Amino acid sequence: KQEVTQIPAALSVPEGENLVLNCSFTDSAIYNLQWFRQDPGKGLTSLLLIQSSQREQTSGRLNASLDKSSGRSTLYIAASQPGDSATYLCAVRHYNQGGKLIFGQGTELSVKP
Amino acid sequence: EAQVTQNPRYLITVTGKKLTVTCSQNMNHEYMSWYRQDPGLGLRQIYYSMNVEVTDKGDVPEGYKVSRKEKRNFPLILESPSPNQTSLYFCASSPGRTVISGNTIYFGEGSWLTVV
Repeated sequence: KQEVTQIPAALSVPEGENLVLNCSFTDSAIYNLQWFRQDPGKGLTSLLLIQSSQREQTSGRLNASLDKSSGRSTLYIAASQPGDSATYLCAVRHYNQGGKLIFGQGTELSVKP
Repeated sequence: EAQVTQNPRYLITVTGKKLTVTCSQNMNHEYMSWYRQDPGLGLRQIYYSMNVEVTDKGDVPEGYKVSRKEKRNFPLILESPSPNQTSLYFCASSPGRTVISGNTIYFGEGSWLTVV
């Protein structure tokens, strides 16, 4: 059974720091991995999607990597800002489960001014 | 604007009183699904639909029903709500057959449901 784990559960950094969020999964038979952002009381916003054949994706200050063989992904945020404060979720889409996304528990990020 | 719209956003109801949470998407997506989000358990899939008139159970389908009569709509039905269905519910959609190719999935803003 696919399990997705995110470490750390919470992270607080001063503004301007570069930071890395980690995501690991137990079964490498995935179509893709996706990083989402969730603001309190809000829905999920897709940040980056990495296909299983890709190694990384970049969007602005965000860079996500995928190492399928080791079951790991990282989300790198450069020059963090208070507006980056949110919960970050990673999710994998598994081959055999009808397109279901399997989510990690999330990392709650707080960027202090 | 591309969006997934859920209603109601907030609801307090009583045990046993049937309710429906509507979900509509304007992107002509074939694939739609429902998730619930609970503290400590994360997001879990309730039901999904690969196309009109095609639905299937996710991880936690007990106590829920869905229907997919039209492509754009995917309502979630709680026939007899119970307190353990108090949760934050999300509807999501993505392009259908291309779900295998991994197109981005879009989420609604969520529906807070409390059953007392």
